[in-house]
Amino acid sequence: SSELTQDPAVSVVLGQTVTITCQGDSLRSYSASWYQQKPGQAPVLVIYANNNRPSGIPDRFSGSSSGNTASLTITGAQADDEADYFCNSRDTSNNHLDVVFGGGTKLTVL
Amino acid sequence: QVQLQESGPGLVQPSGTLSLTCAVFGDPISSHHWWSWVRQSPGKGLEWIGEIYHSGVPTYNPSLKNRLTMSVDKSKNQFSLNLTSVTAADTAIYYCARIVWTAHYYFDYWGQGTLVTVSS
Repeated sequence: SSELTQDPAVSVVLGQTVTITCQGDSLRSYSASWYQQKPGQAPVLVIYANNNRPSGIPDRFSGSSSGNTASLTITGAQADDEADYFCNSRDTSNNHLDVVFGGGTKLTVL
Repeated sequence: QVQLQESGPGLVQPSGTLSLTCAVFGDPISSHHWWSWVRQSPGKGLEWIGEIYHSGVPTYNPSLKNRLTMSVDKSKNQFSLNLTSVTAADTAIYYCARIVWTAHYYFDYWGQGTLVTVSS
């Protein structure tokens, strides 16, 4: 199956801006969604359709996509944002429907 | 508010069958959504297992399809997963999730997850 590649770990100083990226060929054809996962908890949708926030997600979370890269940006990171972040998209590169996740990025807020 | 709740044995014998059920609350399973299973091995990333529509038409992860069956029970508003011939590699937290699939595709609601350990 196709792959989505993420940096394993990223850090940000409290209150600063951080961008987490996700690369993969499937992103040229399909939109990206992003999920936040804290230890011992289920994933939570934070961005869908590349740049849309679900109700209840703070507006410091934003997303974008260009070519084969999707990005999640947190503007003014808070301590509560420390978590793993996973990207996701559909994929049909192997002539069948598939769903792919990135390997995840562990965000540390310093 | 939509809620999903996984249930099933937490321990399965090697070569046995892993069976899980996801009960859906707050949304008829016959709605226009698809319903999915995703798993996460300890300390690892997320792996899509498969998804199913209320009509019963499933789509499976190609790497699992030979061992996998998913079904829908509309009378109980739930859907199920059966994975046969399990090994230690199938040990994971199993999540059920609701899919929004219109012009875009994403998982908007997740269950809390259930840990399944394959061990004798």
